Amino acid sequence: AQSVTQPDIHITVSEGASLELRCNYSYGATPYLFWYVQSPGQGLQLLLKYFSGDTLVQGIKGFEAEFKRSQSSFNLRKPSVHWSDAAEYFCASLNQAGTALIFGKGTTLSVSS
Amino acid sequence: GAGVSQSPSNKVTEKGKDVELRCDPISGHTALYWYRQRLGQGLEFLIYFQGNSAPDKSGLPSDRFSAERTGESVSTLTIQRTQQEDSAVYLCASSRLAGSNEQFFGPGTRLTVL
Repeated sequence: AQSVTQPDIHITVSEGASLELRCNYSYGATPYLFWYVQSPGQGLQLLLKYFSGDTLVQGIKGFEAEFKRSQSSFNLRKPSVHWSDAAEYFCASLNQAGTALIFGKGTTLSVSS
Repeated sequence: GAGVSQSPSNKVTEKGKDVELRCDPISGHTALYWYRQRLGQGLEFLIYFQGNSAPDKSGLPSDRFSAERTGESVSTLTIQRTQQEDSAVYLCASSRLAGSNEQFFGPGTRLTVL
């Protein structure tokens, strides 16, 4: 079955440090991949998405992600983390039928000062 | 409206009672989705609507769960004879079309079954 794995449940990063959140997917063909952020009391917000083409995609709030087919990965990165980035981050893949998103279990990001 | 809205925001019910959760999608969005987020878990897909039809109900966990959509707009998720394991945040999303279109999420309804 199609699945998305986020190996890190919780990550703490110092403010100003770089960030990388890991995501692995299982799907034979080229997947449609997404990163969403969920802040406390807020709904999910789309950060970026990858469908095809350039494997490095830019998103909102200074985030980027790189699609690596050889590693079945779509890791999220940010060069310098701000305290306001503390939230839960979800990686997702569109299912084969195109009718639903398959989510990873999420990574909680804490930012220390 | 500006975004997807859901009501109620919180619902506490007793085991065995029925509950209805409402979703108002973004106007003009033909696709509507329901997801469930249990504590410490990612989102689980429940059901997808295209217009008023539900071509994918594969995520509904049991026959106690049902959903409908009317007027290609409002959707209601109904859980009959609620159980404690139904406690979760129920999220609704809509998109202009299905497939690769961005899904816009509502704030969710937090359901607690005592």
